[in-house]
Amino acid sequence: NAGVTQTPKFRILKIGQSMTLQCTQDMNHNYMYWYRQDPGMGLKLIYYSVGAGITDKGEVPNGYNVSRSTTEDFPLRLELAAPSQTSVYFCASSSQEGLAGTYNEQFFGPGTRLTVL
Amino acid sequence: QKEVEQNSGPLSVPEGAIASLNCTYSDRGSQSFFWYRQYSGKSPELIMSIYSNGDKEDGRFTAQLNKASQYVSLLIRDSQPSDSATYLCAVMLGYSTLTFGKGTMLLVSP
Repeated sequence: NAGVTQTPKFRILKIGQSMTLQCTQDMNHNYMYWYRQDPGMGLKLIYYSVGAGITDKGEVPNGYNVSRSTTEDFPLRLELAAPSQTSVYFCASSSQEGLAGTYNEQFFGPGTRLTVL
Repeated sequence: QKEVEQNSGPLSVPEGAIASLNCTYSDRGSQSFFWYRQYSGKSPELIMSIYSNGDKEDGRFTAQLNKASQYVSLLIRDSQPSDSATYLCAVMLGYSTLTFGKGTMLLVSP
């Protein structure tokens, strides 16, 4: 299993440009999440999804959009990029029940480092 | 507002010592607790999950949970330089979303 994969690894955008951050998981997890992490700060939840066709806002959704048409994919769309969106973006996935009595363990992709100039 | 508090550190320990990392949380209804390790420039890696009061051991790692005190900790025995990283505490209310602390930086000196 590849786990959670994200593309691109790095990207530089100009103010006002748009882009889509891709996230794919091959663990058949129902739940998927997008976080951003700014230097010295914890992870902030942007959007999440509990299954195909279902998405919900997290703590910092403004300036972003998501869709979930399949179990595997959960792309994050940035419209009209702003310098405040310069950050590292992580995608994660989880299942409600895992191995050996665990549940809701989230597994993270490698991240996308985005700079908006 | 759900909050998770961690000392930012750095916590410095010599090689072979026990490192103790602490976390408090504000929402008394929280049910699931996780510790992640994050190396500089890398993504968070899950190292422990704990759901009930008491201790849970996995190799050199022990997670401790005290729901009455709203406190969760991570002990790392026989600390190694490779344990040097930022440790993130995360808390979940029900089957909802995770709230992360800002992390504690651990430095293990040879």
